[in-house]
Amino acid sequence: AQSVTQLGSHVSVSEGALVLLRCNYSSSVPPYLFWYVQYPNQGLQLLLKYTSAATLVKGINGFEAEFKKSETSFHLTKPSAHMSDAAEYFCAVSASSSNTGKLIFGQGTTLQVKP
Amino acid sequence: EPEVTQTPSHQVTQMGQEVILRCVPISNHLYFYWYRQILGQKVEFLVSFYNNEISEKSEIFDDQFSVERPDGSNFTLKIRSTKLEDSAMYFCASIGGYNEQFFGPGTRLTVL
Repeated sequence: AQSVTQLGSHVSVSEGALVLLRCNYSSSVPPYLFWYVQYPNQGLQLLLKYTSAATLVKGINGFEAEFKKSETSFHLTKPSAHMSDAAEYFCAVSASSSNTGKLIFGQGTTLQVKP
Repeated sequence: EPEVTQTPSHQVTQMGQEVILRCVPISNHLYFYWYRQILGQKVEFLVSFYNNEISEKSEIFDDQFSVERPDGSNFTLKIRSTKLEDSAMYFCASIGGYNEQFFGPGTRLTVL
């Protein structure tokens, strides 16, 4: 069984500050991990994914995440927040061995960026 | 760039009515999914579909729900008798490589 926990349902940063959104996962098999972003009234857009290659993954819009197996974490970071980063962020896991590929999502973190 | 499309964008229905939500997945994808997101909550898996049959479904996906791929492009979710608690955003997705799922923009279902 798999699960995802996102620590902090709401994160507020100032424009230009570091963004850190936390995600911890639980998986009995090697996982694939994903971060999705959802802007208001829109669908889910893939930011980045980990698929057992490099542990530091770079995504779109300057975001990156590091897979740490020992900590079962996949935290999302961005060095400098921009006003346009304000959105809902979801961490998700799927089993690399899964033949269905279903995603299990975390509860989401709302990122607020203050001017 | 290919994308998943969904229609309608918003569906309002009366409790007890049947609704069909439509999706056109990316053309060369083989796995298809439905997820739902109740307002303010996380995205939940409903069902996956491969080779014209359900490959996995969640406990949410009860007898009131069904999925179909009626032709080579459309993928539909039917709710036979809607309940108030079915009000949610429904997302269709299809899979590319490495389980990377591409999501449609969603259909907001409102049950009155």
